[in-house]
Amino acid sequence: EAGVTQFPSHSVIEKGQTVTLRCDPISGHDNLYWYRRVMGKEIKFLLHFVKESKQDESGMPNNRFLAERTGGTYSTLKVQPAELEDSGVYFCASSPHLAMNTEAFFGQGTRLTVV
Amino acid sequence: DQQVKQNSPSLSVQEGRISILNCDYTNSMFDYFLWYKKYPAEGPTFLISISSIKDKNEDGRFTVFLNKSAKHLSLHIVPSQPGDSAVYFCAATGKTSGGSNYKLTFGKGTLLTVNP
Repeated sequence: EAGVTQFPSHSVIEKGQTVTLRCDPISGHDNLYWYRRVMGKEIKFLLHFVKESKQDESGMPNNRFLAERTGGTYSTLKVQPAELEDSGVYFCASSPHLAMNTEAFFGQGTRLTVV
Repeated sequence: DQQVKQNSPSLSVQEGRISILNCDYTNSMFDYFLWYKKYPAEGPTFLISISSIKDKNEDGRFTVFLNKSAKHLSLHIVPSQPGDSAVYFCAATGKTSGGSNYKLTFGKGTLLTVNP
């Protein structure tokens, strides 16, 4: 069974440009999460989808970030326009159902560098 | 304000000995705790978890201990192996105020190096 896959694995863009990150969760997983790790710091929650609905987007830094999950399958995270402080590793995770004792499965991450 | 703290950025142990990684939390609403292991250029991989109704959970070489009164948990790896060398993240979840009850709050991680 395929795990969580993210694309691209790396992206280097200039400040002011737009970047779109993609996440394909494990098939059948209704829950999809986006997290971000800025270098040397903790992995921070960005938002949570249940199927195509945003359950919680309290971690989104500002309105330059837009996440979508059309059809409840894959998700995209768009940053427009990108700023230097957006650099970091963006992780996507999925889990099959909402339960406290269900671990989330993570993708390998997308390393975003804004120059 | 960091709600999950891993105060040791790194830890080095000899192969065959015990590795003890520590984690403290401040939010008393957390009631489920997880440890994730991360190799370079990979995503975090689930290792072991513990519910707040327990004080110990064991899985092979890995044991997690929870001290609720001290808001402290630890991960014990025994015996340690070179392949255990990775960054270990402590994470917590629970019925925190507002938002998703299932989002994970992570610590900064501890880099474990097991020397042959």
